[in-house]
Amino acid sequence: EVQLSESGGGLVQPGGSLRLSCTSSVFPFHNYAMNWVRLAPGKGLEWVSAISGSGTGTYYADFVKGRFTISRDNSNKTLFLQMNSLRAEDTAVYYCAKNWYLEDWGQGTPVIVSS
Amino acid sequence: EIVLTQSPGTLSLSPGGRATLSCRASQGVSSKSLAWYHHKPGQSPRLLIHNTVTRATGTPDRFSGTGSGTDFTLTITNMRPEDFGVYYCLQYGRSPFTFGPGTKVDIK
Repeated sequence: EVQLSESGGGLVQPGGSLRLSCTSSVFPFHNYAMNWVRLAPGKGLEWVSAISGSGTGTYYADFVKGRFTISRDNSNKTLFLQMNSLRAEDTAVYYCAKNWYLEDWGQGTPVIVSS
Repeated sequence: EIVLTQSPGTLSLSPGGRATLSCRASQGVSSKSLAWYHHKPGQSPRLLIHNTVTRATGTPDRFSGTGSGTDFTLTITNMRPEDFGVYYCLQYGRSPFTFGPGTKVDIK
């Protein structure tokens, strides 16, 4: 059974930064693209970002371009999301998901952007 | 950006009923790049179908996906209590990937 576990969420002030991590039991990790998806209170799912298995291809939703950076460490089977210039509207539970079609999901980590 | 529209917004069904959920795209979507998810409160979303028609591991055969181009459908037959919740479609063929707004299926 694939296990994905997110961490790094928390309370941050507007304009602040957070780095989310997603550790994985996926093997071989480098064979799979990975995604970040978020669910804001009272809203629907939003795709945030994706990265190819090798890490050479990165993709972003327009609302995070220039603020968020996705990366991965294949040797440690870990996915990252560096989030800068956070806004109140970034408040959400952030999930990591395996494969281009989001085959498996983690349990999510909450991010609250508030003063 | 490809915009996905789902209809209906809400569907009320009795157990044993049949649900037909629509996902319409603003531009053509590759049939290899359309997926459906089920989400229940307090849980992580779960993949049901990818590549328009391919059931994920563990997805019962009462779930079926069809469609092409800009029109896609998820059909659920013999609804069970655990099937209620919100269903989302996703296109992952062209960046940025996009979800539909969801169809909420509740118990009548």
